[in-house]
Amino acid sequence: ILNVEQSPQSLHVQEGDSTNFTCSFPSSNFYALHWYRWETAKSPEALFVMTLNGDEKKKGQISATLNTKEGYSYLYIKGSQPEDSATYLCAFRNSGNTPLVFGKGTRLSVIA
Amino acid sequence: DTAVSQTPKYLVTQMGNDKSIKCEQNLGHDTMYWYKQDSKKFLKIMFSYNNKELIINETVPNRFSPKSPDKAHLNLHINSLELGDSAVYFCASSLFAGGPLVEQFFGPGTRLTVL
Repeated sequence: ILNVEQSPQSLHVQEGDSTNFTCSFPSSNFYALHWYRWETAKSPEALFVMTLNGDEKKKGQISATLNTKEGYSYLYIKGSQPEDSATYLCAFRNSGNTPLVFGKGTRLSVIA
Repeated sequence: DTAVSQTPKYLVTQMGNDKSIKCEQNLGHDTMYWYKQDSKKFLKIMFSYNNKELIINETVPNRFSPKSPDKAHLNLHINSLELGDSAVYFCASSLFAGGPLVEQFFGPGTRLTVL
């Protein structure tokens, strides 16, 4: 059974703070790592898909890094805003024939 | 225009009933999925169809039967509903099944409550 762990489970930060959280996944048989942003009462939306060790992706103030050898990915948010409040999910895939396995998510609350 | 839509949004029903949830995508994608968000808030894959053919079936009771009349639709039919079926069910689609960079697009979810 594949295990995808995310930490912390939840996080409260002040507006303007920078923050980061972690996704851990099995380091053997890596295929792809996805990050999704899930706002309350909406659908999960894809942020990044990463496939190569050392990949770094950026979208606005949000960026992600990937270390496939040690089995982790970090998501960074620089200068958090209240609209960044959401649950951030990561999902791991170990081959093209297997489904995404999701973590439980990190719930971020940005206080104005 | 909603990319991935599900109906109904809420479904409250009695134990033992049979119900269906519909999903449609207008993205021209080949692959569609059903996920269940369980009581621990994990999103878990149930089924995946690629061009109307079942490609993933993850140990789901056979009371759950997906049906894909065409590649834009993937409906979920549930027979003899049980209390433990109460959950939020999400439909998703992707351009195709196998590529590593393929992201999934999710529907708004259907909250099923079995009384």
